[in-house]
Amino acid sequence: KQEVTQIPAALSVPEGENLVLNCSFTDSAIYNLQWFRQDPGKGLTSLLLIQSSQREQTSGRLNASLDKSSGRSTLYIAASQPGDSATYLCAVRPTNFGNEKLTFGTGTRLTIIP
Amino acid sequence: EAQVTQNPRYLITVTGKKLTVTCSQNMNHEYMSWYRQDPGLGLRQIYYSMNVEVTDKGDVPEGYKVSRKEKRNFPLILESPSPNQTSLYFCASSLSRTGGFRDTQYFGPGTRLTVL
Repeated sequence: KQEVTQIPAALSVPEGENLVLNCSFTDSAIYNLQWFRQDPGKGLTSLLLIQSSQREQTSGRLNASLDKSSGRSTLYIAASQPGDSATYLCAVRPTNFGNEKLTFGTGTRLTIIP
Repeated sequence: EAQVTQNPRYLITVTGKKLTVTCSQNMNHEYMSWYRQDPGLGLRQIYYSMNVEVTDKGDVPEGYKVSRKEKRNFPLILESPSPNQTSLYFCASSLSRTGGFRDTQYFGPGTRLTVL
């Protein structure tokens, strides 16, 4: 059974710093991995999606990497801003078509200190 | 505007009173799914559907039913709600496995359900 872990559960950093969020998964047979952000009381917003054949994806100040063989992904946020404060979740989709049980990590709650 | 909508956004009900939470997407997506989010447990998949009339269980299907009669709609039905179904529910959709950004999951705003 796939298990996805995000450590730490919470992180506080001063504004302007670069930071890395971690996601690890136990079964490397994944189709893709997606990073989301969730603001309090709101739904999830997709940030980046990495297919299993890719090593990284970039969008603005965000860069996500994927090392499938070691079961790890990182989300790098450059020059952090108070607006980046949110909970960040990663989710993996299995390889086999027909098995669509997405598995989420429990998230990292990020606070950017002005 | 491309979106996933859910109704109601907030619902307080009593044990045993049947309820339906609606979900609709306007992106012609094939794949739709329901999740519940609970503190310390994260997001867990309840049911998913790969297309019209095709549904399957996720990790926590007990006490829930779904139907997919039309491509755009995927309602979640609680026939006899119980207090342990108090949770935050999300509907999501994606185009399916076409590769690249088209596999992106889009989420609705959530429905906060309280069962007394």
